[in-house]
Amino acid sequence: DTGVSQDPRHKITKRGQNVTFRCDPISEHNRLYWYRQTLGQGPEFLTYFQNEAQLEKSRLLSDRFSAERPKGSFSTLEIQRTEQGDSAMYLCASSLAESGLAGSYEQYFGPGTRLTVT
Amino acid sequence: DQQVKQNSPSLSVQEGRISILNCDYTNSMFDYFLWYKKYPAEGPTFLISISSIKDKNEDGRFTVFLNKSAKHLSLHIVPSQPGDSAVYFCAAKETSGSRLTFGEGTQLTVNP
Repeated sequence: DTGVSQDPRHKITKRGQNVTFRCDPISEHNRLYWYRQTLGQGPEFLTYFQNEAQLEKSRLLSDRFSAERPKGSFSTLEIQRTEQGDSAMYLCASSLAESGLAGSYEQYFGPGTRLTVT
Repeated sequence: DQQVKQNSPSLSVQEGRISILNCDYTNSMFDYFLWYKKYPAEGPTFLISISSIKDKNEDGRFTVFLNKSAKHLSLHIVPSQPGDSAVYFCAAKETSGSRLTFGEGTQLTVNP
C-alpha cells in the first residue's frame, strides 16, 4: 500500500535557517495539497497543485514560503528564514481531480512533518 | 473567521453506545463535507463524506447527516468501540474550489 509519504517526519531548526520538506503523493493522484496544523486547531490550507501547476495559494503562504512540483509527481515546501511562529505540523495530501456525477473530493493525507523552530 | 466550527472539544462515551459529533458551518458556498479521524503522530484519515444534494450517507458503523437549512452536520458512530478514540475533524469544500476548510476537532474517548 503506497499512501502519501513525507520526509522528514521531524525537523528541529534554529530561527533564521531554511528548511525543505518533501511529499510523495499516491502515484495516480494528480492533485497535491499542503496544509499546516498547529496545536488545538484543524489543518489550514496553504497551497495546491494540479500536475505541475500551482493553482491556488492561501494568504497564509507568506513570501518566505515556496512550494514546487516540478514534474507533477513529488512536491517540496521550502520555508526561508524560519521564525518561531512557523513551528507546526506540515501536512501533505493528494487526490484525483473531481470525477463522477456527484464528484469525489476526498483528500488523502500523509503522516506530516513536525517542524520545531528554536 | 471560523467558517467551520466544532463546538465540543471533547466527548466521552461508553463502548457500545452511540457517539454523536457535531459540526456547524457558515459559508453557503460549501457543497461537500467530509469527516476525518486523526490519531496522535499520524495524518488525518478519511472516514466518510456527503454531498449537499443528500441529507444522509451511511458506511458501516458511520453515518453522516446534513441539515442544510441549519448549516449543521453530524457524525454518528454506532456502536462505539475503544479503537474509535481519536480526534475527529469536520471539513468542507466550496463549490468552485478544491481546498478543504477544517473545524478545530473533537477528541472522542470511548471507554471500555
